[in-house]
Amino acid sequence: EVHLLESGGGLVQPGGSLRLSCATSGFSFSSYAMSWVRQAPGRGLEWVSTISESGGSTYYADSVKGRFTLSRDNSKNMLYLQMNSLRAEDTAVYYCAKEAPAYQNWGQGTLVTVSS
Amino acid sequence: EVVLTQSPATLSLSPGERATLSCRASQSISRYLAWYQQKPGQAPRLLISDASNRATGIPARFSGSGSGTDFTLTISSLEPEDFAVYYCQQRYNWPRTFGQGTKVEIK
Repeated sequence: EVHLLESGGGLVQPGGSLRLSCATSGFSFSSYAMSWVRQAPGRGLEWVSTISESGGSTYYADSVKGRFTLSRDNSKNMLYLQMNSLRAEDTAVYYCAKEAPAYQNWGQGTLVTVSS
Repeated sequence: EVVLTQSPATLSLSPGERATLSCRASQSISRYLAWYQQKPGQAPRLLISDASNRATGIPARFSGSGSGTDFTLTISSLEPEDFAVYYCQQRYNWPRTFGQGTKVEIK
């Protein structure tokens, strides 16, 4: 059974940093692109970033480009999202998702709150 | 950027009725469209990929159709557990985009 578990969310001040992690199991991690999708409170879904199977290619939404960095460790079946220069508008539940090629599996999400 | 416009914003129906949800793309996206269901406090769940391919474990009452710019998700007969928010999403190009969602509520 595919399992995705996000961690690393929390309360951070504007301008601060957080690193989200997504632990995966139940599938061949290195064979799938992986993504982060976020959802601000009471709002819709927003794609954040995608990384290719090998990690050689990454894609970002304009809203996070230059501030967020997506990476993966295929030896540990882990996905990471480094978030710097956080803003209030980054407040959201962040989901990691397995692409196959649509977002076939999702984690339960981790809440990031950016506030002073 | 491909803009996806979903209609209606809210659909008020009774159990057993047929639901028809629309997603229109601002440019042709071939058949690279997916549909997701989300219930309060839960992660989204994939229903349909590539316009019409039901995901594993999704009941046959859910069907998708369309290509190019116009897509439809149909729920043939609403069950109580189908009342939720539905999103469409395109993977034709970057950035990936979602529609704003359609809420299917109990009438």
